Amino acid sequence: ILNVEQSPQSLHVQEGDSTNFTCSFPSSNFYALHWYRWETAKSPEALFVMTLNGDEKKKGRISATLNTKEGYSYLYIKGSQPEDSATYLCAPSNDYKLSFGAGTTVTVRA
Amino acid sequence: DSGVTQTPKHLITATGQRVTLRCSPRSGDLSVYWYQQSLDQGLQFLIQYYNGEERAKGNILERFSAQQFPDLHSELNLSSLELGDSALYFCASSAGGDVKRETQYFGPGTRLLVL
Repeated sequence: ILNVEQSPQSLHVQEGDSTNFTCSFPSSNFYALHWYRWETAKSPEALFVMTLNGDEKKKGRISATLNTKEGYSYLYIKGSQPEDSATYLCAPSNDYKLSFGAGTTVTVRA
Repeated sequence: DSGVTQTPKHLITATGQRVTLRCSPRSGDLSVYWYQQSLDQGLQFLIQYYNGEERAKGNILERFSAQQFPDLHSELNLSSLELGDSALYFCASSAGGDVKRETQYFGPGTRLLVL
């Protein structure tokens, strides 16, 4: 199980503003990184699976980048909407197992 | 709706008891994963099965066991329950079990409360 850090732990953003947050993980033996979005009272929902250094993935207004050499990934939300309010989890892997971070909880204020 | 089903949704039991949580993966998925979400911890990987065979093990206690049946549904058995076992237990499934290529689809979870 990998040591995963997500920062900040929580953030508040005004509707329409953009934001980003970080996932840090050990860079040695990197295999893959997953991002999940977890809304209250629901189950985690997959956003991205990233494997290559320099990877960029996009899904609507949400995008992510990956730096495997230095061990971090950024998730960006452009033009935040109230429905983006959720906890965003990253989960790197150096084998077949995912190690989830504690998440960044995003609250979008209307 | 992810297509992964879990039963029961809620479970309340006493210390020392044994419970069984059930998971049916998405149609066509061969891999099942079990995770535990405790109040003070993030999602912790417990165990993975692929087509009936154990593939990977995480921080699963010896009091816990799991299996995957020929119809690919899986059961997580928790025995000699302690207060600290109270948690949300998620099951997830994926097509083949390769974290490099596949997302995992999470079920709605079973909330276990041990009194």
